[in-house]
Amino acid sequence: GQNIDQPTEMTATEGAIVQINCTYQTSGFNGLFWYQQHAGEAPTFLSYNVLDGLEEKGRFSSFLSRSKGYSYLLLKELQMKDSASYLCATQMNTGFQKLVFGTGTRLLVSP
Amino acid sequence: DAGVIQSPRHEVTEMGQEVTLRCKPISGHNSLFWYRQTMMRGLELLIYFNNNVPIDDSGMPEDRFSAKMPNASFSTLKIQPSEPRDSAVYFCASSPRGVRGLAGGANTGELFFGEGSRLTVL
Repeated sequence: GQNIDQPTEMTATEGAIVQINCTYQTSGFNGLFWYQQHAGEAPTFLSYNVLDGLEEKGRFSSFLSRSKGYSYLLLKELQMKDSASYLCATQMNTGFQKLVFGTGTRLLVSP
Repeated sequence: DAGVIQSPRHEVTEMGQEVTLRCKPISGHNSLFWYRQTMMRGLELLIYFNNNVPIDDSGMPEDRFSAKMPNASFSTLKIQPSEPRDSAVYFCASSPRGVRGLAGGANTGELFFGEGSRLTVL
C-alpha cells in the first residue's frame, strides 16, 4: 500500500527559505514528484527525483533519500506568488505510470 | 499547444441525477487518469487508462461510478445516481508515458492536468 505524509500547512515570509518535508511508505516505489497547485487551479509539475540526492531548478530544489523514504522541497527567495499547495506524489514501478498523491502542504507567504 | 481539456468546468446538480464529465487528453499521450480532489482526502486516483484500455479502476468508489475511453482523444467519467458526498473537483490528466521504460528520452512520466470539473451535488 501507499502512505504519504506531509505537513498540512506552513507559513513563511517573503524572501525567506522554506523546506517542505514528505515521508512515504510505498511498496514498489520508483520515483517521487512534487507538484504546485494554486487555489482553484490544476496541479503543475515542479520536480522529479528517482535517484538519491538533490535536484536543483532555479529557486526550487528537491531532495530524495530512498533508503529513508524521505523527500523535501526547498523554496528559496520566497515570493508572494509561491503561496500555494505543494503536493508530494510517489511513482510506482508497476510497469505502468501511476502517481499516488499526498494530501498536500498549504504554504502561505506573507510580506 | 492545447493542454488537457475538461468539461464542464462547473456543474451543480441534484441528488439522484446522472453526471457526465468529459476529458480530451493531450494529443499523442497514451495514458489518461481520472482523479478526485477534496479537502479531506486530497487527490485520489480513481482510474487510469493506457492506450484506451482501463488498467486499474481500484480507486473507483462504487458501482455508481463508471469511466470509458472509446478512443485516444476522449474519455468520460459518469456518476449515476449522484450523491452529495460526490461533490469534489474531478481532474483528468494525461501522460506521454505508458509502459515504463518505453518512452525514451527525458520523459519522466509527468502528468499533465486539466483545469478540473467542480461538481456540487445538492
